[in-house]
Amino acid sequence: EDKVVQSPLSLVVHEGDTVTLNCSYEVTNFRSLLWYKQEKKAPTFLFMLTSSGIEKKSGRLSSILDKKELFSILNITATQTGDSAIYLCASNNAGNMLTFGGGTRLMVKP
Amino acid sequence: AAGVIQSPRHLIKEKRETATLKCYPIPRHDTVYWYQQGPGQDPQFLISFYEKMQSDKGSIPDRFSAQQFSDYHSELNMSSLELGDSALYFCASSLSPRGNTEAFFGQGTRLTVV
Repeated sequence: EDKVVQSPLSLVVHEGDTVTLNCSYEVTNFRSLLWYKQEKKAPTFLFMLTSSGIEKKSGRLSSILDKKELFSILNITATQTGDSAIYLCASNNAGNMLTFGGGTRLMVKP
Repeated sequence: AAGVIQSPRHLIKEKRETATLKCYPIPRHDTVYWYQQGPGQDPQFLISFYEKMQSDKGSIPDRFSAQQFSDYHSELNMSSLELGDSALYFCASSLSPRGNTEAFFGQGTRLTVV
C-alpha cells in the first residue's frame, strides 16, 4: 500500500521566516510527487516533481525531490500571512492515482 | 482558464437518502478522479475514470457508484447515506492517466448528512 508521510504536522512562524516542509513516500510504481496548497476548499496545484535533484521554483516557493532517499521538501522563503494554509504532498503512481500525506498546517503570524 | 467545475457546492441530505454529485473536467481532460475528505483529514481516493471506463478504484463504499459520460463529465452517486458520509468531495481531472500529468481539483461539494 502506498504511503506518504508529511512533517511537521503543524508549524507557526512569523512573517519573513523561511520554512521547510518535509514529505517522505513509499510508492509502488512511483511516477511523480506533487505539492498542493489547501486554504479553504480545493487543493491548489503547486509543483510536480519527477526527477531527483532538479529544483522547481515559483516565486518564494521551491521544491526538490530525492528519489534515492524517497523524500521531497517544500521551501517557502520570506513567508507572508497569505502563505497560511495546509500544504499537501501527494505521490502519483503509474495509474495516476494520488496518495496524499496528512498535510502540514502552516500558520504565518504578522 | 477553465477549471474543474463541481456541483452542487453544498448539499444537505438525511440519513438513508441518495445524493448525486457532478463533476465537469477541464476541457480536453479525459480522466477524472473522485476524492473524499473528512473533517481534518487528507483527501482519500475513491475512484477514477479514463475515457468513460473505470481506471482505478480506491476506498469507495459499495453504496457509492460513479460513471463518466460521453462528454467526460462524471457523476458520483451515493445511496443509503450515513452520517459518516458527511465530507468534502473533490473531483480532479487530468490529461490521460498514462501520461505523467498533474491533477487539478475542483472546489468540492460539501455534503452534510443529518
